[in-house]
Amino acid sequence: DADVTQTPRNRITKTGKRIMLECSQTKGHDRMYWYRQDPGLGLRLIYYSFDVKDINKGEISDGYSVSRQAQAKFSLSLESAIPNQTALYFCATRPDREECYTFGSGTRLTVV
Amino acid sequence: QKEVEQNSGPLSVPEGAIASLNCTYSDRVSQSFFWYRQYSGKSPELIMSIYSNGDKEDGRFTAQLNKASQYVSLLIRDSQPSDSATYLCAVTAGGFKTIFGAGTRLFVKA
Repeated sequence: DADVTQTPRNRITKTGKRIMLECSQTKGHDRMYWYRQDPGLGLRLIYYSFDVKDINKGEISDGYSVSRQAQAKFSLSLESAIPNQTALYFCATRPDREECYTFGSGTRLTVV
Repeated sequence: QKEVEQNSGPLSVPEGAIASLNCTYSDRVSQSFFWYRQYSGKSPELIMSIYSNGDKEDGRFTAQLNKASQYVSLLIRDSQPSDSATYLCAVTAGGFKTIFGAGTRLFVKA
């Protein structure tokens, strides 16, 4: 099994719909992250969490919310999806004292 | 000015050649530097990290860091078609904020 698992892998949704992307990890790390990747823009941080009680906004949090249900689970929600949220979304985790990330396999989201 | 800049490419090299990928960063307090490889449609995978000035070698990969020039590079020796991917440079300041470059696409011709 993968260390970081994301579901779904692909999703097409309509404008205005609520959608949740889920992430779970078996690394035992406290730190979890949600990034989105757009062509030419690289990975941009949406939200991050250092433990179940510590959730922080990243550089592009508007239009998104998150929930840290347990150490191993971190979900990302789009409350009312819009077309410019079409992107590749990655969940990631890293150890507390190291700065190298393990990424999930990604969710390709299309908002029509 | 972007905080971490990479040439988007594509960089095309023949099989067996040395591929040289470059990255510049703007934050002088940056302390940790990483290279990730990302195959098309896949997730980024860490291949190298470097923390001090100079060269760090791991197999066919060499990372080079020059903090005075705010420059980090990745050399891939004996390039193989399987090295064809996008390479992301990542820079961390203060052990907290990691900024990723947009990546350089590398194409190794057989």
